[in-house]
Order: sequence, then C-alpha cells, then structure tokens
Amino acid sequence: QLQLQESGPRLVKPSETLSLTCTVSGGSISSSGYYWGWIRQPPGKGLEWIANIYYSGITYFNPSLKSRVTISVDTSKNQFSLKLSSVTAADTAVYYCARQGVTMFGVVSLCDYWGQGTLVTVSS
Amino acid sequence: QSALTQSPSVSGAPGQRVTISCTGSSSNIGAGYDVHWYQQLPGTAPKLLIYPNNNRPSGVPDRFSASKSGTSASLAITGLQAEDEADYYCHSYDNILSGSVFGGGTKLTVL
Repeated sequence: QLQLQESGPRLVKPSETLSLTCTVSGGSISSSGYYWGWIRQPPGKGLEWIANIYYSGITYFNPSLKSRVTISVDTSKNQFSLKLSSVTAADTAVYYCARQGVTMFGVVSLCDYWGQGTLVTVSS
Repeated sequence: QSALTQSPSVSGAPGQRVTISCTGSSSNIGAGYDVHWYQQLPGTAPKLLIYPNNNRPSGVPDRFSASKSGTSASLAITGLQAEDEADYYCHSYDNILSGSVFGGGTKLTVL
C-alpha cells in the first residue's frame, strides 16, 4: 500500500522560507505515469493546488504561486520537496503531498494517494 | 475564489438521496477534462471517492455516483448514512492555469 508522509517545520516566521518534504513508501517515486504534487488547505477553507513534479524533473506550478515556489525530487531517497519563499500569514495552511495521475488528454490531475497533511503556521 | 463552484452546504435525512453540484467553465470541465470527487472527514486528508466513468476505489460503496454535462458535474449519494457527513470536493484540470483546480467544497450534513 502506497503511503506518503509530510515532514518539516510547523512554525515559520513571516518573510522566511517554508520547507517541506514528502517521503513515499510502499512504492517507487520513479513509477511511470505518476506525478507528485503539493496541495494546501487554509484553516476552514478549500483546497489549492501548488505544484507537481515528475521523477525526471518535469514541473508544473500554480501561476499564482510560481514566483515563490521551488519543487524538487530525490529519487534515491524516494522523496520530493517543496519550498515556498517570502511567506505571510496567508500561507498558513495544512499542506498535503499527493500522487497525481495522468488522465485523458495527457494532463496531470487525479490525486489517488494523499499524505495525512501537516499544519504549517506562519507567525512571528 | 475557486475556479470550480460548489454550493457551500447540503443536507439530507438518513436514507435520502442528495446531489452535490460543481460548476466550471470552458477551460476546465467544459473542455472535456475529467472530474474527480473527494471526501474529507473532519480532521483528515481528502480521500479519492470517484474518478472518471464512475470508477470507485476499493471500499467506496456504489451509493456514490457521478455525472458530467457541459461545464458542470455532480456527485449523487443515495441511501444517505450518518457516516457520509463530510466535506466533498470536485477536482479537474484547467488549461488556462495549466494545472489542477478544485471546488470550494460542499459540507454535507446528515439530519
């Protein structure tokens, strides 16, 4: 059974960089046809896609966050990571990592496996 | 606001049928992209509920079904049970965003 687990600091100061890692177990991050994504959910609000990455390094970003986001993959550790720079209180959210499948038209969409999520609070 | 629009809440009595709608545009649902549905129980991560052609992951009962028409999609739940009380999200691809878009979520209350 594939499992994803987020890890990283739970408290980040304004203007600093949020860094999270997702460790994949029970399967290979290099599996063909799957991307690995980050999605966040501010307290009491809906889901927002941040970015995703293929094991080869192909990346896609939400345009509203692209200038502040870095996503990377480490196939040797079966991990992928997110960095979000210049954070503000608006970036306070539960951050989820997920496996995303490629559906018809060849677009990255479906999230079939999710991590449990980690609440990151931006506060001084 | 979310690129996909969902009603904030819906309710129904045990045993009843409810539907949750998801309205998009010509750059996502209307362009023919797949729509997926997730169930989020309080304090937990979203769980995939339905994916294209009414496929359901193992363990999801057939009381859950989905449909799509034009720029909208809907999730139907029949034989409502107390355990169905949760937030439900629709999800698709948007070719302007070049990425995933989610609905704002619908809170289902079982009366």
